[in-house]
Amino acid sequence: AQSVAQPEDQVNVAEGNPLTVKCTYSVSGNPYLFWYVQYPNRGLQFLLKYITGDNLVKGSYGFEAEFNKSQTSFHLKKPSALVSDSALYFCAVPYTGGFKTIFGAGTRLFVKA
Amino acid sequence: ETGVTQTPRHLVMGMTNKKSLKCEQHLGHNAMYWYKQSAKKPLELMFVYNFKEQTENNSVPSRFSPECPNSSHLFLHLHTLQPEDSALYLCASSQDGLEENEQFFGPGTRLTVL
Repeated sequence: AQSVAQPEDQVNVAEGNPLTVKCTYSVSGNPYLFWYVQYPNRGLQFLLKYITGDNLVKGSYGFEAEFNKSQTSFHLKKPSALVSDSALYFCAVPYTGGFKTIFGAGTRLFVKA
Repeated sequence: ETGVTQTPRHLVMGMTNKKSLKCEQHLGHNAMYWYKQSAKKPLELMFVYNFKEQTENNSVPSRFSPECPNSSHLFLHLHTLQPEDSALYLCASSQDGLEENEQFFGPGTRLTVL
C-alpha cells in the first residue's frame, strides 16, 4: 500500500539559512511524489512534483526537492529561508490508478527573523 | 474569479440544521474532490468526482451528501451533523484523476457544529 511519512511535526530555521523538510515514502512501482504548502486560512497550494527523470525537482518560490530512490525519500529544500515561508508543508503520493492521494501529516515550518 | 472558490468561508450550524457547501472551479478541470481537514489529523479524502461521476466515497457517513451537477461545480450537503464534524472542508480539482496531475485547492469552508 502507498504511504508517506513526515517525521518532523515542526522545523525551526533562521531566516537566510537553508531549510529541509523531510518526507519518506512507500510505493509499489515508480512513484509520483508531490509537495504542497498551506498558509494560514488558505487551502493547500501545489509546490512541485516528481514524475520521472532528474532527481532534483525545482518548484515554486525557490523550493526544490530531491528524489532519492535508495532511501525512499523526497525531501523539500530551499537554500535561503524567508520569514514568509512559514507555513504547513505536506508531502503526498497518489494511489496507483489515480483519484486518491495520500497526504502526510504535515510539517509546520517556522522561519525566525 | 480564478482558480477554485468555495462558499461560504465560515459556517456555524446546529445539529438539526441542513446546509450546503459550494465549490466552483474555473480551471477547466474534470476531477473534483472534497477533503476534511481536522486539527491534529491527516487530510481525509471524502469524495471524488471525475467527469461528474463519483469515483470514490471514502466511507463517509450519510449525513454528508455530495452533488456534482457539472464538471465545474461541486456541492456538499450537510444534515444532522455532529460536533466532531467541525473542521475545515476543502474542495480541490485536477485536470483529471490521473496520478501525475496536481490538485488545486480552494480556501476551504470552516465549519462549526454546535
